[in-house]
Amino acid sequence: EVQLVQSGAEVKKPGESLKISCKGSGYTFDNYWIGWVRQMPGKGLEWLGIIFPADSETRYSPLFQGQVTISADKSINTAFLQWSSLRDSDTALYYCARIWIGWFDSWGQGTQVTVSS
Amino acid sequence: DIRMTQSPSSLSASVGDRVTITCQASQDIRDYLSWYQHKPGQAPKLLIYDASNSETGVPSRFSGSGSGTDFTFTISNLQPEDIGTYYCQHYDNLVFTFGPGTKVEIK
Repeated sequence: EVQLVQSGAEVKKPGESLKISCKGSGYTFDNYWIGWVRQMPGKGLEWLGIIFPADSETRYSPLFQGQVTISADKSINTAFLQWSSLRDSDTALYYCARIWIGWFDSWGQGTQVTVSS
Repeated sequence: DIRMTQSPSSLSASVGDRVTITCQASQDIRDYLSWYQHKPGQAPKLLIYDASNSETGVPSRFSGSGSGTDFTFTISNLQPEDIGTYYCQHYDNLVFTFGPGTKVEIK
């Protein structure tokens, strides 16, 4: 069974750094792109970017380029989403999802990130 | 950039009703369109890919159609467990775009 398990909820202050994770199992992690999707409170789904774990090739949405960093460690079947300096507006629920061809076919349970002074 | 719109933004229907959601692309996207169901407190779930193909295990009351710029998602016999928000999503050359979503409620 394909599973993506994300790290737990985080509460941070503005300006702090953060790295959340997404661990895949039940499939060959290297062979599938992993994407990150954001849902701000009361809003819809937004695509942040993707990574191909086999070679760590990444693509970012123009809206999020330079705002977040996506990485992966294929030795532990894990993808990461990180911020160097959080802002209040980064408060959201973040999902990782496996990509097959052009759709997100399996999703993590989501990681709530709350940024507040 | 390709923009996706959905209508309506929300709807309320009775159990057993046929519900239709439309998704429009700002330019021709062939059939590169998927549909997701997102229930509160749960991860989104893929229902339809390539405009009209059902994901394995998805109930037959969910269907999709269309190509080019205009797409339709239908729930043929609305059930109480179908409440949630439905999103269309386009992909092209490793760029992904979600529609704004349609919230479905039961009358």
